[in-house]
Amino acid sequence: NAGVMQNPRHLVRRRGQEARLRCSPMKGHSHVYWYRQLPEEGLKFMVYLQKENIIDESGMPKERFSAEFPKEGPSILRIQQVVRGDSAAYFCASSPLDRGGQPQHFGDGTRLSIL
Amino acid sequence: AQTVTQSQPEMSVQEAETVTLSCTYDTSESDYYLFWYKQPPSRQMILVIRQEAYKQQNATENRFSVNFQKAAKSFSLKISDSQLGDAAMYFCAYRSANSGGSNYKLTFGKGTLLTVNP
Repeated sequence: NAGVMQNPRHLVRRRGQEARLRCSPMKGHSHVYWYRQLPEEGLKFMVYLQKENIIDESGMPKERFSAEFPKEGPSILRIQQVVRGDSAAYFCASSPLDRGGQPQHFGDGTRLSIL
Repeated sequence: AQTVTQSQPEMSVQEAETVTLSCTYDTSESDYYLFWYKQPPSRQMILVIRQEAYKQQNATENRFSVNFQKAAKSFSLKISDSQLGDAAMYFCAYRSANSGGSNYKLTFGKGTLLTVNP
């Protein structure tokens, strides 16, 4: 039973380029969450998605960032026109339900470095 | 808004000894969940233990146990018989259990880096 799969593990972009981070949830999980971890910090919530729906994007910057979870395929976190401050580890988590204390299972993260 | 505070940026323990990591949180809610996650150098996020606020009994998972003090809003993690593989960053996290609102968000502390000395 494969866990949450994120790719790539490491991504290097130059300022102004686009970064696309992918997340395939665990089998049977229809709820996906993205978190960002800045250096020396804990993870911060960005966005919560269900299939074809964004439920809560309150933690995501209003500009340059977007997320989707299509009917088919992985969830995508897209960052346009990246800047140095976007350098961070981006974690995806999934759960079968969004309540009842169901633990969120995390992927290994994508480390984004901006040159 | 809920906040989670881990007051120990770093801790160290001798192999086979016991160590306790501290966590306090602030909330006005009565029903919630608390978690400890482990992040080894590989940077995975691994769930260590979970506690439901409505349960008085402290959660235990093998060598890991918690001391949950609801009135004091304290949730410490005790690691017994520490092993080299326990060396990692440990994060305390809070999640609301209320049926309305954002009960899916995990709020994390800044973490405690645990070193295990042979």
